[in-house]
Amino acid sequence: DSGVTQTPKHLITATGQRVTLRCSPRSGDLSVYWYQQSLDQGLQFLIHYYNGEERAKGNILERFSAQQFPDLHSELNLSSLELGDSALYFCASSLSGSPSYNEQFFGPGTRLTVL
Amino acid sequence: TQLLEQSPQFLSIQEGENLTVYCNSSSVFSSLQWYRQEPGEGPVLLVTVVTGGEVKKLKRLTFQFGDARKDSSLHITAAQPGDTGLYLCAGPMDSNYQLIWGAGTKLIIKP
Repeated sequence: DSGVTQTPKHLITATGQRVTLRCSPRSGDLSVYWYQQSLDQGLQFLIHYYNGEERAKGNILERFSAQQFPDLHSELNLSSLELGDSALYFCASSLSGSPSYNEQFFGPGTRLTVL
Repeated sequence: TQLLEQSPQFLSIQEGENLTVYCNSSSVFSSLQWYRQEPGEGPVLLVTVVTGGEVKKLKRLTFQFGDARKDSSLHITAAQPGDTGLYLCAGPMDSNYQLIWGAGTKLIIKP
């Protein structure tokens, strides 16, 4: 158990809908990272928040948005969903704002299926 | 553009054999991390290498960082079925606020 929690574990929805994925980081961690992983592929970095502020943005679609709240939990909002958005979405947390030398602890992921 | 290329993409071997997987780049990285991901779970950090030429051992796993800090390798001795998983390497971008990830090596160890 990494200490990072993600809800829901599974999500099935239809094209055009909007969903919200939630992540609670490990106690004491200030950074939250969101990743997308399609079937049998590596991790695609989406966005990084540190202590409530956006630190870095990857290839995140305009239909996707995220935020980190004062209690440090984070939400990833996916709207106008398309079939291609079906994937595993991981949240990771780390102590500092620099991922260079700090381990990222990953949650169990949310499996999103868009029908 | 900083990229990390992992090879091979897929490797299936018998229990007890040795293997090496690679993580290569044309860019210099200040550090590289290796993670293992099991099906249905998030990746878990195995090791971070920082110094060029550094060798780190984790039981039967040996990690090496290239002298020029552009590449890294993972060698597994006497592979066990429990070593099965997706092995990912990652390194910090120049901006230092995000990691670049390789596509991974999917390793299957058959009993």
